[in-house]
Amino acid sequence: SQTIHQWPATLVQPVGSPLSLECTVEGTSNPNLYWYRQAAGRGLQLLFYSVGIGQISSEVPQNLSASRPQDRQFILSSKKLLLSDSGFYLCAWSVPGTGSQYFGAGTRLSVL
Amino acid sequence: GQSLEQPSEVTAVEGAIVQINCTYQTSGFYGLSWYQQHDGGAPTFLSYNALDGLEETGRFSSFLSRSDSYGYLLLQELQMKDSASYFCAVRDRYSSASKIIFGSGTRLSIRP
Repeated sequence: SQTIHQWPATLVQPVGSPLSLECTVEGTSNPNLYWYRQAAGRGLQLLFYSVGIGQISSEVPQNLSASRPQDRQFILSSKKLLLSDSGFYLCAWSVPGTGSQYFGAGTRLSVL
Repeated sequence: GQSLEQPSEVTAVEGAIVQINCTYQTSGFYGLSWYQQHDGGAPTFLSYNALDGLEETGRFSSFLSRSDSYGYLLLQELQMKDSASYFCAVRDRYSSASKIIFGSGTRLSIRP
């Protein structure tokens, strides 16, 4: 069966520090991969999605970036965090051509 | 661009039936999905409609009318554990088949 791992679960970082969140998927090949951010009590904002290794589509121009160095690995990064980067970050995968997405447990990021 | 509208809050009684509506505007359309998210948790996939009509999965059903750009999630025999936020999401045909956009969510509260 397929599983998605996302870590860490919580993270407290000072303003201006770097960020690296990692997500890996097991049990499937060539998944579409996604990063979302969710503010408290709000909907999911699509940040990046990827249909293959090295292929990244960015939805929101900001100080975040994403990379997909391997087929089932998706990384969200920042060189310098802002206060506004605080939120609940969710990684998800889907089988290309289908309408179902499966989410990791999420990372709750607080930038202080 | 894409936009989805769903009510922000719905309240219902345990054992009753509730319907959560979603209207969407997209330049193209592949299908409508529904997700459930409990407080503090990650979204979980409930259903996907690509064609008009009703899809039933246990106590949950989802309906789609492509001509009306409208869908709904129907929850029957409500249980206290159904208290959660529910999101509709669309796959957009023309921007990218891999891009999935979420509505802002409907918070469902169940009263005994």
